[in-house]
Amino acid sequence: SAVISQKPSRDICQRGTSLTIQCQVDSQVTMMFWYRQQPGQSLTLIATANQGSEATYESGFVIDKFPISRPNLTFSTLTVSNMSPEDSSIYLCSVEQGGQPQETQYFGPGTRLLVL
Amino acid sequence: AQSVAQPEDQVNVAEGNPLTVKCTYSVSGNPYLFWYVQYPNRGLQFLLKYITGDNLVKGSYGFEAEFNKSQTSFHLKKPSALVSDSALYFCAVNRGGGYNKLIFGAGTRLAVHP
Repeated sequence: SAVISQKPSRDICQRGTSLTIQCQVDSQVTMMFWYRQQPGQSLTLIATANQGSEATYESGFVIDKFPISRPNLTFSTLTVSNMSPEDSSIYLCSVEQGGQPQETQYFGPGTRLLVL
Repeated sequence: AQSVAQPEDQVNVAEGNPLTVKCTYSVSGNPYLFWYVQYPNRGLQFLLKYITGDNLVKGSYGFEAEFNKSQTSFHLKKPSALVSDSALYFCAVNRGGGYNKLIFGAGTRLAVHP
């Protein structure tokens, strides 16, 4: 499976600021995904990022709040904008590998964000 | 609406005993089903998946899961639990057929006691 890294691994930020999270994969992948895991909760998909096209956002998530870049097949960023304490979560990226119909999503280690 | 249910917030098992973590799903069509494990301060690790074929699927670390279409269940099992299996387990479903959205259950915390 792909090796996925995320930067930063954790951060503490002040409300009103923005944080950009990086996701790097050691192989080229078509689909990358960004998830949020709020404290004590399950994972919720924020958006799907395909290289060369605009990210597709899930209901409840908007581009102004969570802009995503996908400049190439091994890298993506998620920005959490104008942060509030409610944004304190673990943010995970994932990639899909295996090809149809065997595709499996593999996850990065996550970025732990605390907003004060 | 598509959903995944993990009815138990926590499962407690003595080391060496068999364990079961339950998962049921509600998805139209033929679902792809997954189990992931999350250790403290770690990301999610893939354990196993069911796509098609044999209803009993074997995965990493000695885990297996049984797909039951009539009961819409995909319970995770292990014959003999280890203390190191203590973690948070997530069941997830992907509707398959090119639709890539994973829907996760709420998670079940497994505690294996020595």
